[in-house]
Amino acid sequence: DQQVKQNSPSLSVQEGRISILNCDYTNSMFDYFLWYKKYPAEGPTFLISISSIKDKNEDGRFTVFLNKSAKHLSLHIVPSQPGDSAVYFCAASKGDSWGKLQFGAGTQVVVTP
Amino acid sequence: DTGVSQDPRHKITKRGQNVTFRCDPISEHNRLYWYRQTLGQGPEFLTYFQNEAQLEKSRLLSDRFSAERPKGSFSTLEIQRTEQGDSAMYLCASSLDSRPYEQYFGPGTRLTVT
Repeated sequence: DQQVKQNSPSLSVQEGRISILNCDYTNSMFDYFLWYKKYPAEGPTFLISISSIKDKNEDGRFTVFLNKSAKHLSLHIVPSQPGDSAVYFCAASKGDSWGKLQFGAGTQVVVTP
Repeated sequence: DTGVSQDPRHKITKRGQNVTFRCDPISEHNRLYWYRQTLGQGPEFLTYFQNEAQLEKSRLLSDRFSAERPKGSFSTLEIQRTEQGDSAMYLCASSLDSRPYEQYFGPGTRLTVT
């Protein structure tokens, strides 16, 4: 049962423009959400997170938005840079789960010049 | 570099053979996680250690799989009697107790069962 879903397998965006990645979840018990970035031949790298008590968290060019009523979160990257080309995974966790993360299938982002 | 390391990076084995993978976490991290990732999917949780104690196991971890972390430092994941369906990337991650969700991943071990 896939409880975290990323419905867009790929996204192409021009350098300097905004990248918006979307993620939906079904389990209302999730209370912590994260985005990871993965380059080929490397493990995922933690990017940004948000607790369910917040609706926005910003870190430099990266902002995560959480809409609990819609069970939806999004990652905005502004401005997009060529080095942002990677696979982005959305992940979620429940407070009592000791850090067990449930991941979406990922979105491949390609930033074109 | 003091990141998470995994060995070997690639393993090709024949069906029915046993394989063992090693993970060395970041030294100050006392939580260690194993995940499995197949093509086109995100990582799936397998098991988790806090120090040497294995505290949670996924139902994905059949009785052919065993994981250990004997001294609370490195960990091993063994798969006995490998099957073709075991072919995947096996990822290890570690974290601090205070920030369990911010997990640092190793590069993974890619297993191919022929």
